[in-house]
Amino acid sequence: DVKVTQSSRYLVKRTGEKVFLECVQDMDHENMFWYRQDPGLGLRLIYFSYDVKMKEKGDIPEGYSVSREKKERFSLILESASTNQTSMYLCASSLEGLAGVETQYFGPGTRLLVL
Amino acid sequence: GNSVTQMEGPVTLSEEAFLTINCTYTATGYPSLFWYVQYPGEGLQLLLKATKADDKGSNKGFEATYRKETTSFHLEKGSVQVSDSAVYFCALGRHNAGKSTFGDGTTLTVKP
Repeated sequence: DVKVTQSSRYLVKRTGEKVFLECVQDMDHENMFWYRQDPGLGLRLIYFSYDVKMKEKGDIPEGYSVSREKKERFSLILESASTNQTSMYLCASSLEGLAGVETQYFGPGTRLLVL
Repeated sequence: GNSVTQMEGPVTLSEEAFLTINCTYTATGYPSLFWYVQYPGEGLQLLLKATKADDKGSNKGFEATYRKETTSFHLEKGSVQVSDSAVYFCALGRHNAGKSTFGDGTTLTVKP
């Protein structure tokens, strides 16, 4: 079974802190994604990566950056956390499908509270 | 661009009731369509998918048929259980685009 793990389930940070959210997948997937999930807004894509050191902006990249130095690991960075970044953060990975878009496999999520 | 519109929730049903959650989409080309489910406190997981028109995806008693003529992928289950209480997301993905577009999610609560 594919396993996607996230470094923390719950995190509390202060405004202005630099925050790192880590995601690791164990199935050699090419694609990795970071989403945030907020009530009434569904899932919104922050960034995604289709290969090591490659990244593309999603729908809401402002205030975030990412890093993918190894294929299995995709990090989300909040350079200076703000209260409006309080949210549930979900990481996902997928194969690069030849016949169509492949299923995404999600981690359990990190609930971040910025005070 | 691509978009997915889901039936607004929350939806509350009694056990053994029939479930329909509507999903319509807008996309160019021939997207793949997915239903994901999120149980309380967990991430999303794939429930079922369909990759071409008229395909039917099915899993755990849930079904959805890819209808190109109505651009829809409605989720159905004949008899829901309390354990089906969760948030359901409809999603589409286009070949060579990598990423998927998700609906806003529909919260289902099933009461005994």
